[in-house]
Amino acid sequence: GENVEQHPSTLSVQEGDSAVIKCTYSDSASNYFPWYKQELGKRPQLIIDIRSNVGEKKDQRIAVTLNKTAKHFSLHITETQPEDSAVYFCAALNYGQNFVFGPGTRLSVLP
Amino acid sequence: NAGVTQTPKFRVLKTGQSMTLLCAQDMNHEYMYWYRQDPGMGLRLIHYSVGEGTTAKGEVPDGYNVSRLKKQNFLLGLESAAPSQTSVYFCASSYIAGNDEQFFGPGTRLTVL
Repeated sequence: GENVEQHPSTLSVQEGDSAVIKCTYSDSASNYFPWYKQELGKRPQLIIDIRSNVGEKKDQRIAVTLNKTAKHFSLHITETQPEDSAVYFCAALNYGQNFVFGPGTRLSVLP
Repeated sequence: NAGVTQTPKFRVLKTGQSMTLLCAQDMNHEYMYWYRQDPGMGLRLIHYSVGEGTTAKGEVPDGYNVSRLKKQNFLLGLESAAPSQTSVYFCASSYIAGNDEQFFGPGTRLTVL
């Protein structure tokens, strides 16, 4: 089955700097890769996703890149703000199967 | 449009007690899921359902049972609670299984003493 690893487990950046979180997956058939943000005490919410036929996707300050050959995908947050502080989860999905989530990255944006 | 709701929000059980967690969605989604979230371990799938009347095991199904008698509801049961089941439980739903966003409920914090 699918296995998703996520690094780093914790990340601290200064406000305004960029943050990068990387995930690797094991199943080459996986074709959908979402990123969820979870604030303290709240539910996970989708912030961006990418499908296997796309190499990069951007949404304002957030971008995701996918390298299918190396089986890894990354979340990039530019111009970080204190409200970006949260736990971020990546996931991988093979169509018809179920999501496998990474263990999460706790991002702290220091003012 | 309430989205995905869960009841109760908090619960404390004694070892051996039973309880049922209720998940409801009003988005006409076919797929529903139950996850547990433990510190440092992300979200792990307990059981899921691909439609009314169907259920299937996920990654960590032992000690739990589920039922999907109505399309909008997905119930998670603990027959004999154990301290190892202390966790935050999230329900989620999606329109289809693949290439589709999962919408999460607010979570249920369960403590088993």
